[in-house]
Amino acid sequence: DAKTTQPPSMDCAEGRAANLPCNHSTISGNEYVYWYRQIHSQGPQYIIHGLKNNETNEMASLIITEDRKSSTLILPHATLRDTAVYYCIVRVRGSQGNLIFGKGTKLSVKP
Amino acid sequence: DAGVIQSPRHEVTEMGQEVTLRCKPISGHNSLFWYRQTMMRGLELLIYFNNNVPIDDSGMPEDRFSAKMPNASFSTLKIQPSEPRDSAVYFCASSLGTGPDTQYFGPGTRLTVL
Repeated sequence: DAKTTQPPSMDCAEGRAANLPCNHSTISGNEYVYWYRQIHSQGPQYIIHGLKNNETNEMASLIITEDRKSSTLILPHATLRDTAVYYCIVRVRGSQGNLIFGKGTKLSVKP
Repeated sequence: DAGVIQSPRHEVTEMGQEVTLRCKPISGHNSLFWYRQTMMRGLELLIYFNNNVPIDDSGMPEDRFSAKMPNASFSTLKIQPSEPRDSAVYFCASSLGTGPDTQYFGPGTRLTVL
């Protein structure tokens, strides 16, 4: 699975959009980008995934650059409950086995 | 759906004692994963099962750790004897094992070995 690079921490004002970047310059053509988050003291939670097209669901939007070497997770209207560590993971869709969690980005949403 | 269920939520034990952690995956899921999380090492996979069969146990630290999945709705992770360095949060996750293979995590068991 391709390696990812994320900033260690970010701040965001409540009600504003939170844009979390991820670099995955060695991504292969059959690898998807997945985002999970972990709120303090809880298990990781799936957010969204995508291949090359932008994706949106009820939680977030995922923007993947045309060369697929980077992506951005967007939380359109961040709330205090979105304070968490966000993990960007790249892996082959449908591949069996574990998720490799890096250090992620600690997002702090402030009132 | 109740999601992945883990028990106990908290466990405090003394060094040398046996510890058993339990997990009930989401009904219909074919893959089950045990992860451990510590401040130093982050989230790391211990073992995963597919259709109740252990597929990859390379993350199991040593022989003191063992995991079983006797049926599709139950798994255990046992540590015997436990040591203080085993103190961590242990997560169980399950997935369909096909398609996007999204993993759904339980709330975790916080283990403290004194």
